[in-house]
Formats: sequence, C-alpha cells, structure tokens
Amino acid sequence: ILNVEQSPQSLHVQEGDSTNFTCSFPSSNFYALHWYRWETAKSPEALFVMTLNGDEKKKGRISATLNTKEGYSYLYIKGSQPEDSATYLCARNDQTGANNLFFGTGTRLTVIP
Amino acid sequence: EAQVTQNPRYLITVTGKKLTVTCSQNMNHEYMSWYRQDPGLGLRQIYYSMNVEVTDKGDVPEGYKVSRKEKRNFPLILESPSPNQTSLYFCASSTRDSSTGELFFGEGSRLTVL
Repeated sequence: ILNVEQSPQSLHVQEGDSTNFTCSFPSSNFYALHWYRWETAKSPEALFVMTLNGDEKKKGRISATLNTKEGYSYLYIKGSQPEDSATYLCARNDQTGANNLFFGTGTRLTVIP
Repeated sequence: EAQVTQNPRYLITVTGKKLTVTCSQNMNHEYMSWYRQDPGLGLRQIYYSMNVEVTDKGDVPEGYKVSRKEKRNFPLILESPSPNQTSLYFCASSTRDSSTGELFFGEGSRLTVL
C-alpha cells in the first residue's frame, strides 16, 4: 500500500484569501499524481493529472505543482470563493496500463463569505 | 452527456441479504473500478477491471464480487452483506491506454447494513 498523506485535514479561510494544501507520497516507482475536487453529495471531479517532476498545472484560480523526487505536490487556490468549499483529494498511481489510484484522506476546505 | 451512473444511490439492508450495486458508463471506457469511502480513510479500491471479462482485486476485496460481461457495466455484488460493509461506494471509469487518464466517478451509493 502506498501511503498518500494530505495536510491539513481541514481549514477555514475567508473569502478572498489565498490558500494551499500539501500532498506527500512515496517517491519510488512514481507514475502519476491526481488531484480531485469533491463537493458534498456529489461525485469527485478531476482537477489535474501530473506526471513530470516540476510540472505545474493551472485551471482558473486553482493551480498545482509536482515534485516527484521528494514526493510532494501542492495545490493552490488564489482568491478563495465560497464555491471553492469542498474536499480536495490527491491520489498516486504507480502502474502503467492500469489506473489504480491510492488516495489520501483529503483536505476539507471551507470558505467563509 | 458523459456520465457514470450508479444504482441504488441509497440502500438500507440486513445482514446476509444479497445485493447488487449497478454501475454503467457511457464513455466507452475500458477501465472501471469500485472504491469505498469510510470516515477517516481515503478512498480504497475494492475491485477493478481492465476490460470485458478481465477483473482483479484491489486493496479491500473481501466480501465483494464483480463481473464485467459488457464494456459499459461493472456491477458490485455483496453475496452476504455484513455491518462492516456499511460505507459509501463509488464506481469510476477511465481510458485504459494511459495511466494518466483521469477517473470519472459516479455519484456514489450509500449502503447501510443492519
């Protein structure tokens, strides 16, 4: 089992604040790192899939970086909005030809209006 | 609309009464998988399938069965449910060719076993 750890477990920020979370994972046999956004009572939705060391991806106000050598990824949200409130999951894949992901427990973000 | 559909969304059952949670995807994905979500734990994989008639165990397969007779469907079968299978279940699918493909999740099935 590949331990994927996320921190913090939860956080509350004020609307307009920027914030970031961490995902750490074993760096050996790394293949891909996924970030998902999971709103209550909905299904998780993919934000980013990253494979290369140093990779940076951006979608609107949300961006992510990847360091495969040291085994961590950061997710950044700029100017948080109430609609950003959700649980953010990261997951690691170490196999080719199969999309078996090992998930962290998530960071639960609450944005206070 | 591309989607993964699970049924039922909510179910309360009793110990030992066989049940099936259906999963269907309309994206022609080769890969399908079942996960369970429990408080304080990350999503854990139960079973996965790389293609029709090809299935394999994930991390927590005990007490579950699956089948993949058609590409679009991947039902999860609990032959004799027990209370420790009370959980939130997600079905997911993706393309098989690249391990970098994102997973598409169903909306979840909340199962309670009394």
